[in-house]
Amino acid sequence: DVQMTQSPSSLFASVGDRVTITCRASASIVGHLDWYQQKPGKAPKLLIYGAYRLYTGVPSRFSGSGSGTDFTLTISSLQPDDFATYYCQHSFSLPRTFGPGTRVGVK
Amino acid sequence: QVQLQESGPGLVKPSQTLSLTCTVSGDSFSSGDYYWTWIRQSPGKGLEWIGYIYFSGTTNYNPSLESRLRISIDTSKKQFSLQLDSVTAADTAVYFCVRDRFDCTGGPCFYYFDYWGQGILVTVSS
Repeated sequence: DVQMTQSPSSLFASVGDRVTITCRASASIVGHLDWYQQKPGKAPKLLIYGAYRLYTGVPSRFSGSGSGTDFTLTISSLQPDDFATYYCQHSFSLPRTFGPGTRVGVK
Repeated sequence: QVQLQESGPGLVKPSQTLSLTCTVSGDSFSSGDYYWTWIRQSPGKGLEWIGYIYFSGTTNYNPSLESRLRISIDTSKKQFSLQLDSVTAADTAVYFCVRDRFDCTGGPCFYYFDYWGQGILVTVSS
């Protein structure tokens, strides 16, 4: 199985900050990497698929980059609605696996 | 708008079978563009892909659960179901039913979970 790691596990930021979250795969997944946002008590929501493709309706302040084993999610200007936990997940092979998550909290 | 809704018991005794059903509303259920998927989330193991079923009945399971798992589909009712045998406390989790879309237009295929149910907490306890 391809294992996913994320860093940091948590971060604290202010509205307007630029936030970057890193995801690493244990083997090359080419560009098959998706990002999700989850708030407490809710299901995850898709933000980015295929490493950098913005899902329908997702604000353009979210962007993704990377290929192979190293990927990044960037929030260009953090908004109040963005405080949440973010997960990466590979879709290169089965079983699909998720990273452990990065919690973005209020500084 | 596609909606998914999980249903089933919230409490299961150890060694028994966990059974959940997902009902899908919207017009995509028998489309060949989706895998109907179960994912669970527990504090100890995070988000875990359980497996999927295609509208034709083809399945694919997580090897870690395969020996205890069965996913089935009823296209006439727009439902798919999960059965997990011989449960233990480690199977306590929130279970989500999810649509896994694959998009093969214009190049390589990309797969992503675009619609999720709200999730159902299943506790394994005597």
